[in-house]
Amino acid sequence: DAGVIQSPRHEVTEMGQEVTLRCKPISGHNSLFWYRQTMMRGLELLIYFNNNVPIDDSGMPEDRFSAKMPNASFSTLKIQPSEPRDSAVYFCAINGRHGYTFGSGTRLTVV
Amino acid sequence: AQSVTQPDIHITVSEGASLELRCNYSYGATPYLFWYVQSPGQGLQLLLKYFSGDTLVQGIKGFEAEFKRSQSSFNLRKPSVHWSDAAEYFCAVDVYGNKLVFGAGTILRVKS
Repeated sequence: DAGVIQSPRHEVTEMGQEVTLRCKPISGHNSLFWYRQTMMRGLELLIYFNNNVPIDDSGMPEDRFSAKMPNASFSTLKIQPSEPRDSAVYFCAINGRHGYTFGSGTRLTVV
Repeated sequence: AQSVTQPDIHITVSEGASLELRCNYSYGATPYLFWYVQSPGQGLQLLLKYFSGDTLVQGIKGFEAEFKRSQSSFNLRKPSVHWSDAAEYFCAVDVYGNKLVFGAGTILRVKS
C-alpha cells in the first residue's frame, strides 16, 4: 500500500456537504483508478485516467461525483452534495510497472 | 455481457483442511487474472496473478491458482488453511490491459 497514499482514512460528513477524497500515487504509473466498495454492490470502478486524462467515467454514479487528475502525482474524487447512500469505502489504485497497487482506502460515512 | 463470477458468497472450512475458491469469467479474449485478499477494514492485497505461460500460478501465503482456458476459470487453492486466512477473497480480470473488473467476493470463515 505504500505506493498509493489516500487521505483521509476516515471521513464523516453531513448530508449535503461537499466531500473531497485525495490520492497521491508513486511515480512510474500509467493509469489511475477510483473504485467504490459497498456491501450491496461490491467493488465498482468509478473512473480511470490514463496519462492524467479521464478515459472512462461510465461508472460515476451521478453528476454529484467528479474526479480530477491535475498531474501524475495527485488525484481527487469529489462528491457535491453528498448523500447517505454515498457511504462506502473509496479506493484509489494505479497500474504501473509493478502491476496494480491499491491504496488503503477512505471510509466515507454520510449522516 | 462481460463479467466475473464468484459463485460462493461464503465458504467455511476447518483449520488444516484444503480450500478451493471458484472464479469464472466471461470474456472473448484471455484476460489477465488476479486474486486479491481483503481483511476486515483493510485494503486489497494481491495474492497472485496470471498473465501467460504456466497455467498453475504460485502466490503468497501458500496460495496457488490454476487457469483453465476451456472452462474460463481461475480457481484459487490452498492445501491447508490457517485461521489467519479468514478474509474476503476477490477474483479480478484485466481484459484489455487497462482496468480491473472484480467479482463479488467470497468470504472465507475458518473453524478451529
